[in-house]
Amino acid sequence: QQPVQSPQAVILREGEDAVINCSSSKALYSVHWYRQKHGEAPVFLMILLKGGEQKGHDKISASFNEKKQQSSLYLTASQLSYSGTYFCGTEFMSSGAGSYQLTFGKGTKLSVIP
Amino acid sequence: DSGVTQTPKHLITATGQRVTLRCSPRSGDLSVYWYQQSLDQGLQFLIQYYNGEERAKGNILERFSAQQFPDLHSELNLSSLELGDSALYFCASSVEGLGDSPLHFGNGTRLTVT
Repeated sequence: QQPVQSPQAVILREGEDAVINCSSSKALYSVHWYRQKHGEAPVFLMILLKGGEQKGHDKISASFNEKKQQSSLYLTASQLSYSGTYFCGTEFMSSGAGSYQLTFGKGTKLSVIP
Repeated sequence: DSGVTQTPKHLITATGQRVTLRCSPRSGDLSVYWYQQSLDQGLQFLIQYYNGEERAKGNILERFSAQQFPDLHSELNLSSLELGDSALYFCASSVEGLGDSPLHFGNGTRLTVT
């Protein structure tokens, strides 16, 4: 079942913050976040495992709320280079472990303008 | 450069034909994943192999098949092609199965069916 991402699109000015949400109706084992620029391959950002945690590097961080089966990606002080489509990928729980299948949301298109 | 190699980059063929897409994973990665990306469907999971064995299957059509060879490269075979099969096909690899293993995507093969 495909996770639901919101918003579908967002436009930011440089320096502004954004939050992208990803929710699932099924119990999750892990959540992955990727960024894809136009005409390029998706690039890995971070993974969050069940257990509820927050991760981050530089000005991009993410959280995973296991109770709600939701993950959020936080982009602070946005830069032009942050522009692209952000995808969350969810791996469902299967017999207490992961299902080995990563299902992606439809993506959130982020545009950062000067 | 992700280290994942996909060939060919572009493929143009006619309806009813059969094509083979090839993927070489990053050195040391045992898992290979195939995804189809079209404008309205996002990244659709097709199939995953781990060390030569099929491990997870998504919405892969019966006209499509894949395999992973002993040297770990993988091929995706698409037959009886239809116009709707036109898409960007990505291969990704990871060290093991998902969980805390990120996916590294190749640059994709753009298939155009005319």
